[in-house]
Amino acid sequence: QVQLQESGPGLVKPSQTLSLTCTVSGGSISSGGHYWTWIRQYPGKGLEWIGNIYYSGTTSYNPSLKSRVTISLDMSKNQFSLKLSSLTAADTAVYYCARDAGWASYYFDHWGQGALVTVSS
Amino acid sequence: EIVLTQSPGTLSLSPGERATLSCRASQSVSSNYLAWYQQKPGQAPRLLIYGASSRATGIPDRFSGSGSGTDFTLTISRLEPEDFAVYYCQQYGTSPWTFGQGTKVEIK
Repeated sequence: QVQLQESGPGLVKPSQTLSLTCTVSGGSISSGGHYWTWIRQYPGKGLEWIGNIYYSGTTSYNPSLKSRVTISLDMSKNQFSLKLSSLTAADTAVYYCARDAGWASYYFDHWGQGALVTVSS
Repeated sequence: EIVLTQSPGTLSLSPGERATLSCRASQSVSSNYLAWYQQKPGQAPRLLIYGASSRATGIPDRFSGSGSGTDFTLTISRLEPEDFAVYYCQQYGTSPWTFGQGTKVEIK
């Protein structure tokens, strides 16, 4: 059973860059077939797809965030990471890593527990 | 991007009652690529339905999905105590993938 776990700082200052890592266990990112995804959930409940990455390194980002987002892979550690720059208070959210169902089915059947990130000075 | 509007915002029902949740898309969802999730406090969303009407692994048959084009429905035939939660729809037919704002099913 695939499991995902987010890690990173819970408090980041405005204008700085958020860095989160998702560690995957029970399955290998390099086996292919799945896109590895970041999703965030605002305090008011709304969910927003941030972007994803394939084992080949191919990425896709939400146009609303594209200028500030970078998703990368570290297959030696079976991890993928999110960087979000130029943070404001509006970026305060719970950040989830997730795996899609595979083979171009972009719904999410495995999720991490989520990491709360607060942007505040 | 496709905007998903869920209604009602809150549904107050008793255990054993039927719940009907709506998800309306601002444009047609390609290939009916519509999923439903359940979320309880402090937990990640849990996949219930994909492809508008297919139940995910391990999901009880009291959960059913229907609809096509722009109008989709999640039905819980008889509410169990563990079903009181927030439900989200998500379209994955057109990037960027988007979610509805959620419907809370609460105990009456």
